[in-house]
Amino acid sequence: EVQLVESGGGLVKPGGSLRLSCAASGFTFSTHTMNWVRQAPGKGLEWVSSIIGSSSSVYYADSVKGRFTLSRDNAKNSLYLQMNSLRAEDTAVYYCTRDSYTTLSHFDYWGQGTLVTVSS
Amino acid sequence: DVVMTQSPLSLPVTLGQPASISCRSSQSLVNSDGNTYLNWFQQRPGQSPRRLIYKVSNRDSGVPDRFSGSGSGTDFTLKISRVEAEDVGVYYCMQGTHWITFGQGTRLEIK
Repeated sequence: EVQLVESGGGLVKPGGSLRLSCAASGFTFSTHTMNWVRQAPGKGLEWVSSIIGSSSSVYYADSVKGRFTLSRDNAKNSLYLQMNSLRAEDTAVYYCTRDSYTTLSHFDYWGQGTLVTVSS
Repeated sequence: DVVMTQSPLSLPVTLGQPASISCRSSQSLVNSDGNTYLNWFQQRPGQSPRRLIYKVSNRDSGVPDRFSGSGSGTDFTLKISRVEAEDVGVYYCMQGTHWITFGQGTRLEIK
């Protein structure tokens, strides 16, 4: 069974940093592109960042480029999102998601999410 | 950025009746590889989103066959043949052809 479990969310002051983690199980982690998608309170979904299985390519939404860094450790089946220079508008639930390489499609599995609150 | 526009934003439906959600993109979603990367997601109250449909019309495993997707180019539709109580929630379309963008969401409620 595919499982994605996020952790690392919490309350942080504007300008602060936070590191989110996603522990994956139930599939061959290294072969899948992985992503973060966020949802501000009461709002819609926003793609944040994606990383190819080999880590050879990483992509970011303009809203987080230069502040967030996405990485992965295939030996530990884990995905990480380092978030620096956090702003109030980064407040959201952050979901870890997987792409399917068999169907060449995005976001076939989602984690339960972790809440990040940026406030003084 | 490709803008995804859903309508309606609110959809009251009587149990057992059909429902339809439209999603329009500001550019064609046909990719250079021939695929159209248009997905539909369901988010029930208090839950994570769940994918229902990928590449326009392919239903994910475990998704009831009362859900169907159709469309091409810039116009897409999610249809529920007979709405059940468990279908209450917000539905999002998403394109993955030109980076990734989501529609605003359509809130389905029981009338």
